Amino acid sequence: QKEVEQDPGPLSVPEGAIVSLNCTYSNSAFQYFMWYRQYSRKGPELLMYTYSSGNKEDGRFTAQVDKSSKYISLFIRDSQPSDSATYLCAMSAVDNNDMRFGAGTRLTVKP
Amino acid sequence: NAGVTQTPKFQVLKTGQSMTLQCAQDMNHEYMSWYRQDPGMGLRLIHYSVGAGITDQGEVPNGYNVSRSTTEDFPLRLLSAAPSQTSVYFCASRGFSGPQSPLHFGNGTRLTVT
Repeated sequence: QKEVEQDPGPLSVPEGAIVSLNCTYSNSAFQYFMWYRQYSRKGPELLMYTYSSGNKEDGRFTAQVDKSSKYISLFIRDSQPSDSATYLCAMSAVDNNDMRFGAGTRLTVKP
Repeated sequence: NAGVTQTPKFQVLKTGQSMTLQCAQDMNHEYMSWYRQDPGMGLRLIHYSVGAGITDQGEVPNGYNVSRSTTEDFPLRLLSAAPSQTSVYFCASRGFSGPQSPLHFGNGTRLTVT
C-alpha cells in the first residue's frame, strides 16, 4: 500500500462547477500538507499549504485536513478552464526532508 | 528571475550509457532535491541536499549519484542507464531545510532509455 493515495481521475467538470479533490495517507507522523498544481509539460507549483489539521481558504481554493481520518481535500469553487491541470497532494513529517506525493488527479474544466 | 533551470529538456540514451542531468537555481536556496515522475506513481524523491557538501538518499536512490559543490548547482548522474530509468526528472529547491517551505520546481528533463 502506498503511503499517499490519490485517485488519478481523470475528472471532467463544466465551467463554474465545484471541484473536490482528495487524498488519503497512512503515516500518522505527517504534519505538513500541500497541494501542487502541474500544467502539462511544466513543473509543479505550490497552490495551498496547511500545517496540521483544519481549513485554509485562498480565493476560490479551500484546503481541508482531517488528521483523525488521515484525509485531506482541496475544493475549487467556480472552476475555470484555466484550472485544467493535474493536482498533486504532498505531505511530510516535522524535521523530515522527504516529502511524499500522491499520484496526481488530472482535472479538465470544460467551457 | 530564472528560478530553477534544468538541462537538457529531452534526452534519449541507450542502455548502459551514462549522463548527467543539470540543475541550477538562482534563489540562494539551501535545500535542493531530485524527483522522478512516473505515471500512477507520483513524484518520488531520489536524492536531496541541505547545503553544499551535504547529500542524502531519498525513496528511490539506486542507480543515481549526486554531489553538491556549490549552493547553486545540484547535478544528477546516471552511471549506467537502464530502461527502468525512463521517466521525467524534476529538480526542486526551497529556502530552508525544513518541510514547511514550498518547493520550487524546474520544468523537467524527459529521459528515455532504450
